[in-house]
Amino acid sequence: DGGITQSPKYLFRKEGQNVTLSCEQNLNHDAMYWYRQDPGQGLRLIYYSQIVNDFQKGDIAEGYSVSREKKESFPLTVTSAQKNPTAFYLCASSIGTGTHSEAFFGQGTRLTVV
Amino acid sequence: QKEVEQNSGPLSVPEGAIASLNCTYSDRVSQSFFWYRQYSGKSPELIMSIYSNGDKEDGRFTAQLNKASQYVSLLIRDSQPSDSATYLCAAATGGFKTIFGAGTRLFVKA
Repeated sequence: DGGITQSPKYLFRKEGQNVTLSCEQNLNHDAMYWYRQDPGQGLRLIYYSQIVNDFQKGDIAEGYSVSREKKESFPLTVTSAQKNPTAFYLCASSIGTGTHSEAFFGQGTRLTVV
Repeated sequence: QKEVEQNSGPLSVPEGAIASLNCTYSDRVSQSFFWYRQYSGKSPELIMSIYSNGDKEDGRFTAQLNKASQYVSLLIRDSQPSDSATYLCAAATGGFKTIFGAGTRLFVKA
């Protein structure tokens, strides 16, 4: 089945610790995205990538880092510099970044600071 | 700040009724509009996309777009309890410049 797989589903981070969230897609999509969702708020874009080995900051990139070494994979690292990381993290992909490119989401990772 | 505004709700409708969800956007150059359904604790699921003024129907769902008024709506006919979810409206000027609203919670009462 084609789709977007995020892991883990739940993740707990200690203060000062870096953690990496995995996102893999087998849809052959060029573009991939990371969003953060907080209760009662819309999705906010963290990073996006239009092509392998290239990525751009979104609206709330501080405290996060990404890589795009393979078309299928777009991992997100939440660093210790992110002071309020508890949130629901969503990875998405689309065929491209053209006007009519619909984004499809993975099942999400819920990150909690303990 | 480019925004997409939605009434947070909750919007409560009886089973079998029409649910009407509304959304306004601030960026006049937005060209693509999407409705996503999100169940509690789950990720958003794309249910409708619309690019031209007018109506677009897909089963029980109808999306309506009025670019002059910067207004998008979603109608759900014959609402079912399984339609109870949060509905996210999104507007895009390009694939990565997608702005999401905070969502409207819908409750369909059996």
